[in-house]
Amino acid sequence: RKEVEQDPGPFNVPEGATVAFNCTYSNSASQSFFWYRQDCRKEPKLLMSVYSSGNEDGRFTAQLNRASQYISLLIRDSKLSDSATYLCVALSFTSTGRRALTFGSGTRLQVQP
Amino acid sequence: NAGVTQTPKFQVLKTGQSMTLQCAQDMNHEYMSWYRQDPGMGLRLIHYSVGAGITDQGEVPNGYNVSRSTTEDFPLRLLSAAPSQTSVYFCASRLDRATNEKLFFGSGTQLSVL
Repeated sequence: RKEVEQDPGPFNVPEGATVAFNCTYSNSASQSFFWYRQDCRKEPKLLMSVYSSGNEDGRFTAQLNRASQYISLLIRDSKLSDSATYLCVALSFTSTGRRALTFGSGTRLQVQP
Repeated sequence: NAGVTQTPKFQVLKTGQSMTLQCAQDMNHEYMSWYRQDPGMGLRLIHYSVGAGITDQGEVPNGYNVSRSTTEDFPLRLLSAAPSQTSVYFCASRLDRATNEKLFFGSGTQLSVL
């Protein structure tokens, strides 16, 4: 089982729709979580950090459910420019105290006119 | 600031050839790292460095070497390329602070090994 699992999609939604992605993680010791956005053939860029129960930034809301070990990303009023792959990332610590980031394989979103 | 600069953007190698992927950052970041990204898999850490003269292995280090002689540069060397190393490679850096996990990525190198 992958440490961080995401539905690969694609999620095809019309402009203006609300869409939600889930991400599950297997390491219960994971401390923080992040959503990165990656455009086609481009580098990932940090979208949001999720340190406690959740975070909101404009049209984007990230929520964390530690009991069920999942993180969600909600995008309201989808824009064409939101089309991208969204990577879920979990931060944990190794037995030697090193910080380790584990990336999911990403969920692809295609917003259609 | 240019951010993280990675070269080349594309490279084709024959099995057994060696090459170096270059990475430089001008943000005075202590932490630098190399990832590979393969279809259906998340980004996987190859090697990382927390400062000049300090490097360590990540999740998939075999077949790769790194060095960190300056804060700015963190080259990745493929010693003897194999088809399994066909991938997209990203260099990333960040400030090495306990509360900071924001990674800045280079634009990537698409590597094909024939």
